Amino acid sequence: AQKVTQAQTEISVVEKEDVTLDCVYETRDTTYYLFWYKQPPSGELVFLIRRNSFDEQNEISGRYSWNFQKSTSSFNFTITASQVVDSAVYFCALSEAGGSEKLVFGKGTKLTVNP
Amino acid sequence: EADIYQTPRYLVIGTGKKITLECSQTMGHDKMYWYQQDPGMELHLIHYSYGVNSTEKGDLSSESTVSRIRTEHFPLTLESARPSHTSQYLCASSYVRGLPPGELFFGEGSRLTVL
Repeated sequence: AQKVTQAQTEISVVEKEDVTLDCVYETRDTTYYLFWYKQPPSGELVFLIRRNSFDEQNEISGRYSWNFQKSTSSFNFTITASQVVDSAVYFCALSEAGGSEKLVFGKGTKLTVNP
Repeated sequence: EADIYQTPRYLVIGTGKKITLECSQTMGHDKMYWYQQDPGMELHLIHYSYGVNSTEKGDLSSESTVSRIRTEHFPLTLESARPSHTSQYLCASSYVRGLPPGELFFGEGSRLTVL
């Protein structure tokens, strides 16, 4: 069975601090896809990134970076120099076997960035 | 910016009422999904559709039903609402056919409260 664990339920930081959101996944598939989504207070989830299981290169997009390590089954997300606008719930997700868009989500991490 | 709309955004109704949550997208996406999000934030797939006249149940058992008569429209219906149906319902769509799985575009959600 596939499973995504986000052990941090809530994180609170002060603006400009760096913060890392942890994600650990379980799957028996050799080919799979991992995602991060952001859910701001408005409610809609916004796609941030997709990585496939064969690409372990870290990725950086502005203040966001992702660290994918198959050896530890982790796909962690770091926000550098956090801003108040980063306050949201962040979800890590894993695509079901076969790589469909049917995603298994973690329970989410609520990030609060205080001014 | 995603063009996927959900109505109503908020609904408070009494037990036993029939309700329909509307979801429409203007992107021509074949694939559409309904996720249920509990107060604890976790998302569970309850229904999905890969095209007109195609509907399937998701991983979480739900008493709701869906229909897909038009590509752009994917309504969810509860014939007799109960307090246990109180939750946030998120509709999503995606386009990409084959691999890798595409990103999901989410609506802002419908928050249902059954008294």
